[in-house]
Amino acid sequence: QKEVEQNSGPLSVPEGAIASLNCTYSDRGSQSFFWYRQYSGKSPELIMSIYSNGDKEDGRFTAQLNKASQYVSLLIRDSQPSDSATYLCAAEGNGDSGYALNFGKGTSLLVTP
Amino acid sequence: EPEVTQTPSHQVTQMGQEVILRCVPISNHLYFYWYRQILGQKVEFLVSFYNNEISEKSEIFDDQFSVERPDGSNFTLKIRSTKLEDSAMYFCASSDEGDSYEQYFGPGTRLTVT
Repeated sequence: QKEVEQNSGPLSVPEGAIASLNCTYSDRGSQSFFWYRQYSGKSPELIMSIYSNGDKEDGRFTAQLNKASQYVSLLIRDSQPSDSATYLCAAEGNGDSGYALNFGKGTSLLVTP
Repeated sequence: EPEVTQTPSHQVTQMGQEVILRCVPISNHLYFYWYRQILGQKVEFLVSFYNNEISEKSEIFDDQFSVERPDGSNFTLKIRSTKLEDSAMYFCASSDEGDSYEQYFGPGTRLTVT
């Protein structure tokens, strides 16, 4: 069973702090990883993708990937109350198994003013 | 900015009835997907579609489900005989061959089976 694991939270951080969200995956064949944000009752919104080991930065967001440890993380700098949402980690298989996304259950983030 | 659209936003149906959920993927995308999310649970993959055929499907996507691209813009999911447990949010997504197949999701259709 291919699993993507996330701590459900809630993770509470004060406004302006760094929020750190973590994810582990079981399928070593996964090549691409994605972070989505999902507000209550809404659809997943793509934040970042990462394919190579190391860090990838986009504005206030930094994704980190360590394939040896099967670990993905998302850092949110200068957290804002509007960042309060559930963050979904997703792993994508290689072309042989299609491009279906396998999602974790998500981590709930609460940014307090 | 191009986006995936879905209709209807909410569908209520009786058990045993057929429903068709509709999606218009982003216009230059080649890969189309359906996912569902039961309330309080994780997003689950149902099926992917490429070049006018199913490329992958999950165990959830049994004979009650079918997909179709009836024209150049629409992508539909049909559930032939709905069950109570089909109640969920159904999301359509699409991707192209660039950007390593980043998938963009539509707003979803909330299906309620009574």
